[in-house]
Amino acid sequence: DQQVKQNSPSLSVQEGRISILNCDYTNSMFDYFLWYKKYPAEGPTFLISISSIKDKNEDGRFTVFLNKSAKHLSLHIVPSQPGDSAVYFCAASAKSRNAGNMLTFGGGTRLMVKP
Amino acid sequence: KAGVTQTPRYLIKTRGQQVTLSCSPISGHRSVSWYQQTPGQGLQFLFEYFSETQRNKGNFPGRFSGRQFSNSRSEMNVSTLELGDSALYLCASSLVSATGFMDTETQYFGPGTRLLVL
Repeated sequence: DQQVKQNSPSLSVQEGRISILNCDYTNSMFDYFLWYKKYPAEGPTFLISISSIKDKNEDGRFTVFLNKSAKHLSLHIVPSQPGDSAVYFCAASAKSRNAGNMLTFGGGTRLMVKP
Repeated sequence: KAGVTQTPRYLIKTRGQQVTLSCSPISGHRSVSWYQQTPGQGLQFLFEYFSETQRNKGNFPGRFSGRQFSNSRSEMNVSTLELGDSALYLCASSLVSATGFMDTETQYFGPGTRLLVL
């Protein structure tokens, strides 16, 4: 049972336009969400996160939106650059005192930004 | 600050052998987690260590084990290797407050160890 899903395996966007990557989750216990960017044979690089007490978080060109009622989050990249081309993973965790820190990942979306 | 480091970066083993991978977390980070990435299963959580104790465990067989040392460095061991264990093994560290409660859940990943089992 996939608790975190990224339904679009790939996305192609023109340079300068907006990239929107989507993620859905089913576990209502998740209260912290993260986006990572990954190149082949490298570890994921942290991009941006959002706590369930917020519905939006911005960091430069990256904005994450959280819709708790729909159990949906999205990552907006504006403007998109060719260097953004990578696989993007959505991840979620359920914070609990002394219960540990475990991330559940979506399957990833490959973003291609065309010059 | 130096990032998470993992050694070795690449490893080739044969079925039935055992392997030990090492991870050094970011200085000051006390929680270390391990993940396996395969094309078929994606990124899956193996286990997490904090203060030399395993605090969380994913759905992997007992052949996968780990430990954490007093300096927060961690090792994971896979015994009796199978072909399906071929994967990228990733280590991640995160900052944990003195009380043990997560004051930040962000995990920072190392470059991974690519294991090939023949």
